[in-house]
Amino acid sequence: DGGITQSPKYLFRKEGQNVTLSCEQNLNHDAMYWYRQDPGQGLRLIYYSQIVNDFQKGDIAEGYSVSREKKESFPLTVTSAQKNPTAFYLCASSSGTHNSPLHFGNGTRLTVT
Amino acid sequence: AQKVTQAQTEISVVEKEDVTLDCVYETRDTTYYLFWYKQPPSGELVFLIRRNSFDEQNEISGRYSWNFQKSTSSFNFTITASQVVDSAVYFCALSEEQGWDTDKLIFGTGTRLQVFP
Repeated sequence: DGGITQSPKYLFRKEGQNVTLSCEQNLNHDAMYWYRQDPGQGLRLIYYSQIVNDFQKGDIAEGYSVSREKKESFPLTVTSAQKNPTAFYLCASSSGTHNSPLHFGNGTRLTVT
Repeated sequence: AQKVTQAQTEISVVEKEDVTLDCVYETRDTTYYLFWYKQPPSGELVFLIRRNSFDEQNEISGRYSWNFQKSTSSFNFTITASQVVDSAVYFCALSEEQGWDTDKLIFGTGTRLQVFP
């Protein structure tokens, strides 16, 4: 079945450590996205990529980094520079056609203590 | 600037009641798209509907219906005869058609719907 896989579902880290969240899709989609969800704040865009080897900052990119070496994969690294990293992270993809619907993964809940 | 407002933070209903989730948007663009997504407890967002700014026809899909009114900048979502399985967080979102970034969505803060048996 085609879809988006995020792993792990739950992740715990100590403050000051970098951590990488995995996102893989087998939908053959060109565009991929990372969103952060906090209670009462909806979803905010961190980074997005429209094609391989290219990506752009979203609205809250500070303290995060991404790579897009393969069409299927768009990992997100939460660096120690991110001041408040505890959140629910959602990866999404779309065909890249203008305004096509996003397909989401099940998310990774990151807790940093 | 783009903005989506979902003023209802949480709604509770009893099964079989009808419920309307409100969505008000702001945009300076004449061409834009509106979306609704459902987030069940499992976490992933599920796409429900997309509507472009030139199509003001209301849409019905089973127990779901959507009322798009440009005059009031609203895109409200109604669930008829609600069921327990409708319990979820529902997000309204907006994207504008302008160049390279047309797939960037602006989300509202979501409305949590609880349907009790």
